[in-house]
Amino acid sequence: KQEVTQIPAALSVPEGENLVLNCSFTDSAIYNLQWFRQDPGKGLTSLLLIQSSQREQTSGRLNASLDKSSGRSTLYIAASQPGDSATYLCAVRPSGSARQLTFGSGTQLTVLP
Amino acid sequence: GAVVSQHPSWVICKSGTSVKIECRSLDFQATTMFWYRQFPKQSLMLMATSNEGSKATYEQGVEKDKFLINHASLTLSTLTVTSAHPEDSSFYICSARLNTGELFFGEGSRLTVL
Repeated sequence: KQEVTQIPAALSVPEGENLVLNCSFTDSAIYNLQWFRQDPGKGLTSLLLIQSSQREQTSGRLNASLDKSSGRSTLYIAASQPGDSATYLCAVRPSGSARQLTFGSGTQLTVLP
Repeated sequence: GAVVSQHPSWVICKSGTSVKIECRSLDFQATTMFWYRQFPKQSLMLMATSNEGSKATYEQGVEKDKFLINHASLTLSTLTVTSAHPEDSSFYICSARLNTGELFFGEGSRLTVL
């Protein structure tokens, strides 16, 4: 059974800092991995999708990497801003399955002005 | 990115009543949509996979007679919580997948059963 772990559970940084959020998964047979952000009481916003054949994806100040063999992904946020404050979730889609997306429990990020 | 709309965003109902939540893909067609439930400060739990034109596939432990799912068109899936009770109070979120494999989520619906 796939398990997805996100560390740390919560993170507080001053504005302007670069930061890294970690996601690890136990089964490396994945189809893709997706990072989301969730604001309180809201749905999820897709940030980046990495296919299993890719090693990283970039969008603006965000960069996500994927190392399938070690079962790890990182989300790098450059020059953090207070508006980046949210919960960040990673989710893994296993190979050979059309569903069963497994989510991590999230990292709650607070960027202090 | 693609847009998934959920309605209502919040609903309060009395115990024993039924509540319907709609999930629409606004700018793309989705043969498959997913319904999740989220408890406070926890991650998302997949409840069921909604398939257009056929029966939904429920995850283990989810009562299909309790949570009725209908996916009558390529842009609309509905979740009906039947005979709702306070323990059904939760945040329900739907999602739809593009052909690329990327998943997009609705804004969520907060259900409170009194």
